[in-house]
Amino acid sequence: GNSVTQMEGPVTLSEEAFLTINCTYTATGYPSLFWYVQYPGEGLQLLLKATKADDKGSNKGFEATYRKETTSFHLEKGSVQVSDSAVYFCALTEYSGAGSYQLTFGKGTKLSVIP
Amino acid sequence: SAVISQKPSRDICQRGTSLTIQCQVDSQVTMMFWYRQQPGQSLTLIATANQGSEATYESGFVIDKFPISRPNLTFSTLTVSNMSPEDSSIYLCSARTGLQVGTEAFFGQGTRLTVV
Repeated sequence: GNSVTQMEGPVTLSEEAFLTINCTYTATGYPSLFWYVQYPGEGLQLLLKATKADDKGSNKGFEATYRKETTSFHLEKGSVQVSDSAVYFCALTEYSGAGSYQLTFGKGTKLSVIP
Repeated sequence: SAVISQKPSRDICQRGTSLTIQCQVDSQVTMMFWYRQQPGQSLTLIATANQGSEATYESGFVIDKFPISRPNLTFSTLTVSNMSPEDSSIYLCSARTGLQVGTEAFFGQGTRLTVV
């Protein structure tokens, strides 16, 4: 079956530091890849996505590139802010037949940014 | 896009009782889902809520424990039946507006359930 592995947290960074959260996946076909973010007390919201190899998703200064050869989708940001403190989930969707598009999530990485 | 409202946002329930969680979407959506997020864990899909028919449950989840309704394209309910402390978790409603594999999923803010 499909699976997503992302780096364990929590991650604590100082403001303006560089962020990398690693994500690798296992899929039987050709999935679409996502990063979702969950701010404290809120539901998940899409941060960025990529639907084919070598695509780069970007939003709010975050970037991730779909690397089929390494089955990875690492999240990066050049300069984090306190407002980026949240839990980040890597996920994939693959068509699994009979109209089913199950989202498979990683375990989440909690990021805390301190001033 | 879709805005999802869930209620209640949190509840504390006695073991052996049942709780029904409501999920309302502000627009018609193609697919609706229910997830469980246990403390410090990832999201686990409970079931796909099918409009006008029985939900499709994932392995480890059964209709008697988690009955689901979806009477129309914008509304669904999840009931957690005969609750035990192991059911304490966050329950999330989700929806997709399209059938393409790269379509974004939207999420409600979740229902934090504590069973005592």
